[in-house]
Amino acid sequence: AQSVAQPEDQVNVAEGNPLTVKCTYSVSGNPYLFWYVQYPNRGLQFLLKYITGDNLVKGSYGFEAEFNKSQTSFHLKKPSALVSDSALYFCAVRLISLGAGSYQLTFGKGTKLSVIP
Amino acid sequence: NAGVTQTPKFRILKIGQSMTLQCTQDMNHNYMYWYRQDPGMGLKLIYYSVGAGITDKGEVPNGYNVSRSTTEDFPLRLELAAPSQTSVYFCASSYPDRGDTQYFGPGTRLTVL
Repeated sequence: AQSVAQPEDQVNVAEGNPLTVKCTYSVSGNPYLFWYVQYPNRGLQFLLKYITGDNLVKGSYGFEAEFNKSQTSFHLKKPSALVSDSALYFCAVRLISLGAGSYQLTFGKGTKLSVIP
Repeated sequence: NAGVTQTPKFRILKIGQSMTLQCTQDMNHNYMYWYRQDPGMGLKLIYYSVGAGITDKGEVPNGYNVSRSTTEDFPLRLELAAPSQTSVYFCASSYPDRGDTQYFGPGTRLTVL
């Protein structure tokens, strides 16, 4: 079974400061890893994904994430936070190998990011 | 392109009523999904489809049914609504490229009273 943990329900950061939203995962094989953002009353928007290769993945809106296989982590980062980054962030994992259930994304519970002006 | 569209945006049902949540995508994606989102619980997969005529259960399928007669449409049916089905429902679609990124609709907020 695959699972995702986002250990922080909420992260507060001052505008202009770097931000990190944490994600750890558990899968029995090699993972695809995703970050999505959800603004109030909206659907989820894709930010970035890790498939293979370079452990540092760059995505939309200046976000990046670092894949760390030994720590089974995929933390989301941004060098300088904006007030408009305030939203709910979801980490998700999917197994690479095809097979029963491999199409399923397993989501974390989400982390609410608040950027304070 | 409209992407993934869902109707209705909001709906209130009485216990025991039935309804169909509509989902359409115009990206020619093979894969489509239905999720429900409960507060503080992330998203749970209800059903998914890998192509027209092929559907399969996800993590929480009880109380729901789906069909996939075309590539574009993937309706979700609630036959006997229960208060436990009060949730926000999201439809998503993807193409089986490397990474299989899922694209989400705006959601349907359903309340069962």
